[in-house]
Amino acid sequence: QVTLKESGPVLVKPTETLTLTCTVSGFSLSNARMGVSWIRQPPGKALEWLAHIFSNDEKSYSTSLKSRLTISKDTSKSQVVLTMTNMDPVDTATYYCARSLGTGAFLDYWGQGTLVTVSS
Amino acid sequence: DIQMTQSPSSVSASVGDRVTITCRASQGISSWLAWYQQKPGKAPKLLIYAASSLQSGVPSRFSGSGSGTDFTLTISSLQPEDFATYYCQQANSFPVTFGGGTKVEIK
Repeated sequence: QVTLKESGPVLVKPTETLTLTCTVSGFSLSNARMGVSWIRQPPGKALEWLAHIFSNDEKSYSTSLKSRLTISKDTSKSQVVLTMTNMDPVDTATYYCARSLGTGAFLDYWGQGTLVTVSS
Repeated sequence: DIQMTQSPSSVSASVGDRVTITCRASQGISSWLAWYQQKPGKAPKLLIYAASSLQSGVPSRFSGSGSGTDFTLTISSLQPEDFATYYCQQANSFPVTFGGGTKVEIK
């Protein structure tokens, strides 16, 4: 059974760096057809894709947030980590990780999401 | 980046109605399109991938069509559990992009 679970702080201060971890089970991050994306959703707003890591460790980032994001994975721990620097109140959102299978970025399994609030 | 434009942004419908949501890509994406359903407080759920392929376990009243730049999600007979927000997403190239969402509300 495939599951993904996000973890990290619920509250961060402006200018701080956010580190989120996605722990997966039911599949291997080393599987050639697997990838993991991070997506966020501010309260009451639409989904915004952030970053993706492929099985071969290639990465892709949102054009607008690229300078602030880093995605990495630890296959032995079944974890994908996203860091976002210089947090601002507008970054308050629910952050999701999701799995993609195959060559396209169709996101077939999602974590439950974690709400991160940015406030002093 | 490829821009995804959904319409309408919201629709009011009754149980049993046929509902159609459209999504337009700013450039051709072949059939690299997905549709997701999201209910309040829940993660999105994949309904349709590759423009018209039904994800396992999704009721057959959901269907998708289109290719290139214009796509459609159709709910043939709206059920109470279908009231939700629907998003399209292009998977043709990175960076991935989502549409702005369509909220299906009870009339």
